[in-house]
Amino acid sequence: SQQGEEDPQALSIQEGENATMNCSYKTSINNLQWYRQNSGRGLVHLILIRSNEREKHSGRLRVTLDTSKKSSSLLITASRAADTASYFCATLTSGTYKYIFGTGTRLKVLA
Amino acid sequence: AAGVIQSPRHLIKEKRETATLKCYPIPRHDTVYWYQQGPGQDPQFLISFYEKMQSDKGSIPDRFSAQQFSDYHSELNMSSLELGDSALYFCASSLSDRGEWTEAFFGQGTRLTVV
Repeated sequence: SQQGEEDPQALSIQEGENATMNCSYKTSINNLQWYRQNSGRGLVHLILIRSNEREKHSGRLRVTLDTSKKSSSLLITASRAADTASYFCATLTSGTYKYIFGTGTRLKVLA
Repeated sequence: AAGVIQSPRHLIKEKRETATLKCYPIPRHDTVYWYQQGPGQDPQFLISFYEKMQSDKGSIPDRFSAQQFSDYHSELNMSSLELGDSALYFCASSLSDRGEWTEAFFGQGTRLTVV
């Protein structure tokens, strides 16, 4: 990956459980965004968190950002089979016009 | 709401041919990004444009070039295609607002297959 790692690389859970994915990055950032991608399909935007924010919520999603540790986490609560996908974080490096993606977490939610 | 439009959705080319991918950003968005995603890989940044000027370059081969036009649409030109260029190519757009960027929305991608 150009920027960092996501952890875990793969996660398998039962429907109704919570899923937590972590993302680490290396540079100073302007913002961090999370995306979902179904196999071979487009990147769907989930949530944006700015460098001066620590936590954001959107529906069943909760994102945290720790700029001192250069890390973020995405929590999906009460997961559903339809949440099965790959999840990527992407960071906008400060002073640039480029988003750098993490390696992604493949989430599988079992019905 | 309008989204990022990419065309074509699928493209099959032979080795050494040329391909042109097009991207129409969300209206009023001032920044366009191009990415390449190989099978099982994370998206790799290629190039970006801000207000029609090239702003950043990533791992873009010399055989590739891109530009953004006066109507803000962008094209990625790929020459002397190689088998390894087979990938999903994404375009994204966002808006900068007084130093803060809005969400970067991605198009559905162009799947390029080089045979």
